Amino acid sequence: SAVISQKPSRDICQRGTSLTIQCQVDSQVTMMFWYRQQPGQSLTLIATANQGSEATYESGFVIDKFPISRPNLTFSTLTVSNMSPEDSSIYLCSVGGGAGTEAFFGQGTRLTVV
Amino acid sequence: AQSVTQPDIHITVSEGASLELRCNYSYGATPYLFWYVQSPGQGLQLLLKYFSGDTLVQGIKGFEAEFKRSQSSFNLRKPSVHWSDAAEYFCAVGAGAQKLVFGQGTRLTINP
Repeated sequence: SAVISQKPSRDICQRGTSLTIQCQVDSQVTMMFWYRQQPGQSLTLIATANQGSEATYESGFVIDKFPISRPNLTFSTLTVSNMSPEDSSIYLCSVGGGAGTEAFFGQGTRLTVV
Repeated sequence: AQSVTQPDIHITVSEGASLELRCNYSYGATPYLFWYVQSPGQGLQLLLKYFSGDTLVQGIKGFEAEFKRSQSSFNLRKPSVHWSDAAEYFCAVGAGAQKLVFGQGTRLTINP
């Protein structure tokens, strides 16, 4: 299993600002994923981040709004840019290997935009 | 397209009673199926997974799930619930850890 640490655990931000969320894993992993969980909703995949290449974004998510970095095999960041109240969600980092493996999740970052 | 349906948004059971949470999926290939639990303010914890083999899988905390290909279902069961089982439960499908598709979740409330 993998232990995933996310920072910050929660934040309250002003609209129009940006927040960068960090995800640190205790072991080297190939694939890291970022999910969004809107209030009372399920999880939706934002993007897949592989080390050494640009992140792959899912439909409805764009790099300008959610830039992602993956500088090495244990760390990634997600930035929520130019925030609006609609961005208020829990953002979760996840890691896993290829087919036949399970995904592990961080504790999440609870973001409130006011 | 992949999809997961959890028909029950909210279920209430009495402590000690049995539990079954329903999950139906749509997936183009052999699915990898998962059940996760999310306690208030917490991340997701894996309860169990099905990749292949025995269609009845055992997980942590006394949970089990049965894969039924003919019904495209992967229902979660527990014979006797405890107050600490109150949480949100998510069924998910995907190719291993990649690009999981989650159901809407079922919120479980336990009556004392």
